[in-house]
Amino acid sequence: KNQVEQSPQSLIILEGKNCTLQCNYTVSPFSNLRWYKQDTGRGPVSLTIMTFSENTKSNGRYTATLDADTKQSSLHITASQLSDSASYICVVSDIGPGFQKLVFGTGTRLLVSP
Amino acid sequence: SQTIHQWPATLVQPVGSPLSLECTVEGTSNPNLYWYRQAAGRGLQLLFYSVGIGQISSEVPQNLSASRPQDRQFILSSKKLLLSDSGFYLCAWSRDRRYNEQFFGPGTRLTVL
Repeated sequence: KNQVEQSPQSLIILEGKNCTLQCNYTVSPFSNLRWYKQDTGRGPVSLTIMTFSENTKSNGRYTATLDADTKQSSLHITASQLSDSASYICVVSDIGPGFQKLVFGTGTRLLVSP
Repeated sequence: SQTIHQWPATLVQPVGSPLSLECTVEGTSNPNLYWYRQAAGRGLQLLFYSVGIGQISSEVPQNLSASRPQDRQFILSSKKLLLSDSGFYLCAWSRDRRYNEQFFGPGTRLTVL
């Protein structure tokens, strides 16, 4: 069964600190992996997207890594800001002959405290 | 640039009442459109997707239906709401089925009482 598991479920860090969120997946065959940021009560917004051949991708203070062999990804946030408080969702897409399906993780809820 | 709209933003409805949520996309043509539901503590669940006008695919059996009367309009409906229909409903669009990067709308919070 295709699944995406994220850890931790929730995390509290002090403003200015770094943190790393984890994502493990069993989706096969694999096409790409994305990280989304979702503010409370809003739709998710894409942060990064990586294909099989990419093992790192940065977007400002966000850096995502991908190990397609172990089927693991991480999202590293550097010098956190209060505005980073949100849920971060890992999404994996399979390769299909037609319509691609996305498998969503349940997200990590991050709270950045002043 | 492309934008996606959803309305209403919030909705409180009694059990057994009908439902109509609307999603529209601007700035692109022939998008793929999607309806998701997000329940508390769970990942987004794909409900319906559409690759063209009048073409609807359902992912899970449920009390809901979808329609696409125009190229950039996607509607989620129900004839009789259930308590279990409560949740956060997200509409999304993508340019094509191969790369499939999806862009999400602001969502509708539905509470069924």
